[in-house]
Amino acid sequence: GDSVTQTEGPVTVSESESLIINCTYSATSIAYPNLFWYVRYPGEGLQLLLKVITAGQKGSSRGFEATYNKETTSFHLQKASVQESDSAVYYCALGISGGSNYKLTFGKGTLLTVTP
Amino acid sequence: EAAVTQSPRNKVAVTGGKVTLSCNQTNNHNNMYWYRQDTGHGLRLIHYSYGAGSTEKGDIPDGYKASRPSQENFSLILELATPSQTSVYFCASGPGTGQDTQYFGPGTRLLVL
Repeated sequence: GDSVTQTEGPVTVSESESLIINCTYSATSIAYPNLFWYVRYPGEGLQLLLKVITAGQKGSSRGFEATYNKETTSFHLQKASVQESDSAVYYCALGISGGSNYKLTFGKGTLLTVTP
Repeated sequence: EAAVTQSPRNKVAVTGGKVTLSCNQTNNHNNMYWYRQDTGHGLRLIHYSYGAGSTEKGDIPDGYKASRPSQENFSLILELATPSQTSVYFCASGPGTGQDTQYFGPGTRLLVL
């Protein structure tokens, strides 16, 4: 089946340092799935951070970037300089269309803590 | 911005009791989903729906039922709650027509004693 593997947390980074959260995927039902990063801030639901639907393209939002690499089946999340407000749980996910249902398969989530 | 709300936000239940988790969306989305989130697991799909009157089994449906009485509302029902169902439950909605982005509610924290 489809699966997503991401960096095991928790990850602790100092403010203004760089960040990378690794994500690799395996999609058995479709060659090029859509790829997502969702973020969950404390006490809130998941929010879409960025989405890329075309292999080779990069998505960006709120200073975060991720590039869809079909050769390495990866979609790593990066940020050049993190802030305390980036502390949250980050989920990598892939999207598969099966009929009229658009199923998302999630990684386990990576808890990021940014220290001042 | 999509609006998905869940109630209750926190729930304590007894083993063997019935629990109903409710979800409401104001996005007019066709699809709705129920997930659970446990430490060491990603979000796992329990049930989903294509529209009013439809419910489908997800990846881990055992011990759960779902009900979609209207476009806006989607409930998750635990007829006989067990401690293994202690978890955080998320509801989501999605257009389901060429768009696979899902919009999530804030979650319900359920503790079954």
